[in-house]
Amino acid sequence: ELKVEQNPLFLSMQEGKNYTIYCNYSTTSDRLYWYRQDPGKSLESLFVLLSNGAVKQEGRLMASLDTKARLSTLHITAAVHDLSATYFCAVDLKTSGSRLTFGEGTQLTVNP
Amino acid sequence: GAVVSQHPSWVICKSGTSVKIECRSLDFQATTMFWYRQFPKQSLMLMATSNEGSKATYEQGVEKDKFLINHASLTLSTLTVTSAHPEDSSFYICSASIGAAAQNIQYFGAGTRLSVL
Repeated sequence: ELKVEQNPLFLSMQEGKNYTIYCNYSTTSDRLYWYRQDPGKSLESLFVLLSNGAVKQEGRLMASLDTKARLSTLHITAAVHDLSATYFCAVDLKTSGSRLTFGEGTQLTVNP
Repeated sequence: GAVVSQHPSWVICKSGTSVKIECRSLDFQATTMFWYRQFPKQSLMLMATSNEGSKATYEQGVEKDKFLINHASLTLSTLTVTSAHPEDSSFYICSASIGAAAQNIQYFGAGTRLSVL
């Protein structure tokens, strides 16, 4: 059974600071995704990581994937209040019919 | 980007009634649609996978007779919560996947908040 764990689950940080969210998964995965969810809203796709060593950046967010370590990171650079949200990683296996297994989510609060 | 419309966005119903939630892909044909449930402050749990013209595949522990899924066309899937009870109150989210499997990009609907009194 594929398990996905995120760390930390709650993160409070000040504007301007950097931090990293970690996503570990239990079995070999084909694809890894990062999503953002604002309160009461649905999910917004941030990144899709398809191969070992993949790195993608969008604004203050950068995601990377190490398939050997079964680890993905979401790095936040110089956080701003607008980044406050819950961030989910998810993985899937092609053999599973593209079913996504989500991590628990990391609730990020950026304080002014 | 691709748009998935989910309707209604919020529904309050009495215990014992049935509620239907629609999920439409507006500008693309979705090979597969997925239904998730999310309790407050928790992650998304996949309920079922729906393919057009065939029976839905339910995850372990999800009652098929309670959560009826119909995928009548490549742009529409519906989830009916039958005889809803307060414990069914949750946030239900659908997603639609475009056929190219290389990236399995899933586009999510806005979600439906169900409150059963």
